[in-house]
Amino acid sequence: EADIYQTPRYLVIGTGKKITLECSQTMGHDKMYWYQQDPGMELHLIHYSYGVNSTEKGDLSSESTVSRIRTEHFPLTLESARPSHTSQYLCASSSPVGPTGELFFGEGSRLTVL
Amino acid sequence: AQSVTQLGSHVSVSEGALVLLRCNYSSSVPPYLFWYVQYPNQGLQLLLKYTSAATLVKGINGFEAEFKKSETSFHLTKPSAHMSDAAEYFCAVRNGGGGGNKLTFGTGTQLKVEL
Repeated sequence: EADIYQTPRYLVIGTGKKITLECSQTMGHDKMYWYQQDPGMELHLIHYSYGVNSTEKGDLSSESTVSRIRTEHFPLTLESARPSHTSQYLCASSSPVGPTGELFFGEGSRLTVL
Repeated sequence: AQSVTQLGSHVSVSEGALVLLRCNYSSSVPPYLFWYVQYPNQGLQLLLKYTSAATLVKGINGFEAEFKKSETSFHLTKPSAHMSDAAEYFCAVRNGGGGGNKLTFGTGTQLKVEL
């Protein structure tokens, strides 16, 4: 069983609010990722990190930002939420064995912006 | 660029019947291929992966997949469906050339199992 945790699981907020989605893993993985998932669509990589103080934007442009101050923690922040940000956000980390390593996913944070 | 195409966004089978979920990939270099499953309100978990060691890959819960280079396919099968197999299944590809271990996912196939 994967040891990667996301909070909150569900969040409903109003437009303009600042939100932070938390992601923590206890496996000591250097690489961590944020994916955005919408129904019927492929998962889109929005941010990733190779390690502490390393963050990169993914394939899908996102207004969110991330930080990686500690190995185990990779929070995602939206400074001013809008209805277009309504989605499910999945955090993942990968085992350090190169391209064959699997991703371990959290249970997701489902965000609804009214 | 790498990509995967999953044919059929929804597949329905009877309990006990064969499960076949299709995945075709596009990759400029030999790919690493993965199948993930997502149960309702949960994250994705790995079912199986192809890493060039063997073309027929066995995974958890009785699933297996066969890598066919000539067909650029990596279809997922299970001989006998169970009600607990109802979930969404994602095929994914990663090139062996680095790129930060980023996976490219397909759009998913929702599997429904009926009595």
